[in-house]
Amino acid sequence: EAQVTQNPRYLITVTGKKLTVTCSQNMNHEYMSWYRQDPGLGLRQIYYSMNVEVTDKGDVPEGYKVSRKEKRNFPLILESPSPNQTSLYFCASRTGDASQKLFFGSGTQLSVL
Amino acid sequence: GENVEQHPSTLSVQEGDSAVIKCTYSDSASNYFPWYKQELGKGPQLIIDIRSNVGEKKDQRIAVTLNKTAKHFSLHITETQPEDSAVYFCADNAGGTSYGKLTFGQGTILTVHP
Repeated sequence: EAQVTQNPRYLITVTGKKLTVTCSQNMNHEYMSWYRQDPGLGLRQIYYSMNVEVTDKGDVPEGYKVSRKEKRNFPLILESPSPNQTSLYFCASRTGDASQKLFFGSGTQLSVL
Repeated sequence: GENVEQHPSTLSVQEGDSAVIKCTYSDSASNYFPWYKQELGKGPQLIIDIRSNVGEKKDQRIAVTLNKTAKHFSLHITETQPEDSAVYFCADNAGGTSYGKLTFGQGTILTVHP
């Protein structure tokens, strides 16, 4: 089944404790992206990647890191989480051609205490 | 940067009624306008999209209209059903490039009462 898989679904952590949210897609998509969803603010892009070893900042990149060492994986890293990073996170992917349909994962609800 | 404004933030309708959600955008170069539906506990899913060379597109009970002059586009759902209850997001591709990012609206919580 074609899908984007995120782990974990739920995560509670404390300020300053490094964490990684994994994302994997099995559709051979070139483009991958991370979004955060906050009430009243919609979906805001954190980082995106056009292909392996190519990443760039989105609208809200502060406090986040990403890497794209393999085509299928695009982990999101919070080196020193803070409470304002409490949010619902989504990974998404799509092909690199004119089709701009995004396929989203099921989300990761992160709480930073 | 690009700004997409979505209204209303919440919408409550009776089953069988129509629902309309409207979005306005700022970048005149935008040429792709998708709508995503997010059900509880799931990620958003594309339900319909429209490109700037088309004024209207329909798919069964849902339709999207685009007014490029006024820079707004709308989602129309007819004969609403309880399973239409979800959060709906509009978006555009600021800059008009096929590889560019999507800028999303704030979302609309649609509730369809049986």
